[in-house]
Amino acid sequence: DAGVIQSPRHEVTEMGQEVTLRCKPISGHNSLFWYRQTMMRGLELLIYFNNNVPIDDSGMPEDRFSAKMPNASFSTLKIQPSEPRDSAVYFCASSLQGLAGDEQFFGPGTRLTVL
Amino acid sequence: TQLLEQSPQFLSIQEGENLTVYCNSSSVFSSLQWYRQEPGEGPVLLVTVVTGGEVKKLKRLTFQFGDARKDSSLHITAAQPGDTGLYLCAGVGGSGNTGKLIFGQGTTLQVKP
Repeated sequence: DAGVIQSPRHEVTEMGQEVTLRCKPISGHNSLFWYRQTMMRGLELLIYFNNNVPIDDSGMPEDRFSAKMPNASFSTLKIQPSEPRDSAVYFCASSLQGLAGDEQFFGPGTRLTVL
Repeated sequence: TQLLEQSPQFLSIQEGENLTVYCNSSSVFSSLQWYRQEPGEGPVLLVTVVTGGEVKKLKRLTFQFGDARKDSSLHITAAQPGDTGLYLCAGVGGSGNTGKLIFGQGTTLQVKP
């Protein structure tokens, strides 16, 4: 069974450009999480969805960030316009029901570099 | 705001040595998880501890949840090069029965052969 799939794996863009990160969760999982990982701040939760509905977006840094989950098998995280400080590894994770203690399965991440 | 502090941040040891990683908070968590992350990959769950005072063993790894459910430790016996990686503790945060996790900063472990 395929794990969480993320694309692209690497993205290099220039400041001001729009960036779209994509995620396909594990089939049958009802919860999806977007994280950002940097050396300075570690792994931070940006937003999570349950049954395609955003539940908690308190971690989204600012209005330049937006996330959608149009169906159970696809989610996007968009940054517009991108800034150098957005450079990080972005992870998508999914879990069966999003309940406390559920295992989260992480994708391989997208390494974003904004020049 | 719930925070988890891990110590040490970096650890470099020789194969065969023992080590302990700590995860501390001033907040109570309903459960706590430990993940391991290798370079270029996402974190992978090692264990979930739920009950205060709980001890779980996974081969050479021993995990303990504090009695007050505010802290946890990971002890590795006779470390091997394959144990090298980033170890992350994560507390189940937020109100209600949600899967929202709050991660510690991580402990980077290097085991030299």
